[in-house]
Formats: sequence, C-alpha cells, structure tokens
Amino acid sequence: NAGVTQTPKFRILKIGQSMTLQCTQDMNHNYMYWYRQDPGMGLKLIYYSVGAGITDKGEVPNGYNVSRSTTEDFPLRLELAAPSQTSVYFCATTPGQADTQYFGPGTRLTVL
Amino acid sequence: LAKTTQPISMDSYEGQEVNITCSHNNIATNDYITWYQQFPSQGPRFIIQGYKTKVTNEVASLFIPADRKSSTLSLPRVSLSDTAVYYCLVGDIGQTGANNLFFGTGTRLTVIP
Repeated sequence: NAGVTQTPKFRILKIGQSMTLQCTQDMNHNYMYWYRQDPGMGLKLIYYSVGAGITDKGEVPNGYNVSRSTTEDFPLRLELAAPSQTSVYFCATTPGQADTQYFGPGTRLTVL
Repeated sequence: LAKTTQPISMDSYEGQEVNITCSHNNIATNDYITWYQQFPSQGPRFIIQGYKTKVTNEVASLFIPADRKSSTLSLPRVSLSDTAVYYCLVGDIGQTGANNLFFGTGTRLTVIP
C-alpha cells in the first residue's frame, strides 16, 4: 500500500515548456487535490476532484489543467511554464469531503 | 469562509508543553477545526480534528472554547522532532467543495535543546 505517489520528485523547465505532474493513489479515495506551496508560505489549492470525471477549480487555477479519468490518477498539466509557477506541488486525497487529507511527497518544480 | 489567524513562529525548549492558538472569528455552525503538521520537504500530516470542547489523541490535545472563535493545539513535552510548521484549518465537513481547504501560512515551531 503506497498511499499517494507523485512523479517526478524534481524538475527544471524552461519558460514556455509544458509538463505533466503525475499523482496516483491506491487508497480508493474519491477526493483528490492539487496544491502548490511557495517558499515560506502555506499551501494554495489549485484544482480538486470529487470523483472520476469531475474536477473543479481551487484558489489558484490559472496556468494549470487537470483531468480525472480514473479513481487512482489525477494528473496536473502545465501548458506554458512561467517563472511564477516555480513551487513545490503536493497532491492529496481524502475518503470524504473534509476528512483527513493524505499527502504525497511533493514535486519540486523550477521554471527558468 | 472561515479564515484563520495563527502566530507566525514560536520557540520552545525540549520537554515543555507547547500551546498554539488559532483564531477563527467567522467560524460557521457546521465548521470543524483541523490541525496539520508539516516537516520540511514533506506534505502536511493530520494531527487532530474537533468541533467543540476538548479532543485528545496520542499526539496532541485540541481545546475549543464554547464560542468556538478560537482553538488551541497543545503538544505535551515537545522534542526536537516536533520542530515543524503547524496549520489550522476550519471548514464544513458536510459541504462539497474547497471551502475547508485554506491552509494559511501556519505557525513555525522551533524546539530548542
């Protein structure tokens, strides 16, 4: 039981490049979330999903896209990377709407 | 949406009890209070959750006064490994959506030998 896994752990992008951050959970949770955390700051919600096929915007969705084709996977897509997207990205899951959140180890992204 | 206010940082010596207070003046009737702990380079980890009065688990206690406009996370006899950032979240367990998912900047606790 791996819980929540995220890949890659680290990535450096050039401005304008695109990439997909992967998040997979094996806990059969319906709810999944993507956060970003800038240095010294708290987490900000980017997108979330309440089940396969359903996604919704969080606090800071601009510049990102998500999809949820299966219960297990919730990839986050950056289409045109910008320096402002340099951050650590965390994926999380919960079994219910406001239950305990289980976080992945994070992806550290740098855009130069 | 019930925003929260916490002290930015706190220092404590090993073995002492630490109390971190969170203000949430606009808490709604259906809102619960949840605390998370985050170590450097890791995702947050659930500590404790409560609605009113006192909740205790093997890690911490959570004290919530009758008006519920604040809450206090109590860590008994802290050790160096308790050095982390602690976040207070307030939100409605029964409501769909992202209303309960604002972490704020948290309180950075440093435990001193």
